[in-house]
Amino acid sequence: EPEVTQTPSHQVTQMGQEVILRCVPISNHLYFYWYRQILGQKVEFLVSFYNNEISEKSEIFDDQFSVERPDGSNFTLKIRSTKLEDSAMYFCASGQGLNEKLFFGSGTQLSVL
Amino acid sequence: GQNIDQPTEMTATEGAIVQINCTYQTSGFNGLFWYQQHAGEAPTFLSYNVLDGLEEKGRFSSFLSRSKGYSYLLLKELQMKDSASYLCAVRDRNTDKLIFGTGTRLQVFP
Repeated sequence: EPEVTQTPSHQVTQMGQEVILRCVPISNHLYFYWYRQILGQKVEFLVSFYNNEISEKSEIFDDQFSVERPDGSNFTLKIRSTKLEDSAMYFCASGQGLNEKLFFGSGTQLSVL
Repeated sequence: GQNIDQPTEMTATEGAIVQINCTYQTSGFNGLFWYQQHAGEAPTFLSYNVLDGLEEKGRFSSFLSRSKGYSYLLLKELQMKDSASYLCAVRDRNTDKLIFGTGTRLQVFP
């Protein structure tokens, strides 16, 4: 079965540093998402991306965050200057259509020290 | 806005049946999803309801009542591997995102 892949699986960084989390969505999917989950808390929506632009973003997704689809396969999340509270599991997801289920990647565990 | 409520924790015995409830409030409704999440892993899709009624898929079934803003996930013949969090998620009309509830952590005991 096709799957969403994310790299790296773990990322440790110093506060104030930039990080880029990478995702390869399922190839025929059109809708792409980033979610995060702080340990012990719920899965929170960050941003959705369709037709090469952001379609929706949450309050969490402030100016420190950006997303990019630099080529036909990768979908990246950049955090410009990380904060301690950015420590979380970041999940990439993709979907084929508006009413379709989302497939999630295995996540990147980000630890900001 | 949206509000999704589910119990925080439930326990059950191997072989038994368990029902996990979810209530939601949303300004527009365009589908309800159930996902399973084992600790430290990604959510995996279980079921999708957009019309009222019961959807059955093997040992798992999901029910939806749109007028009541209510859904449940029914797990039959529980196995130890069913110990996980079960996430209720709602898609609002005119949006492509899923909003998740806090999840229900189910522990299955022998």
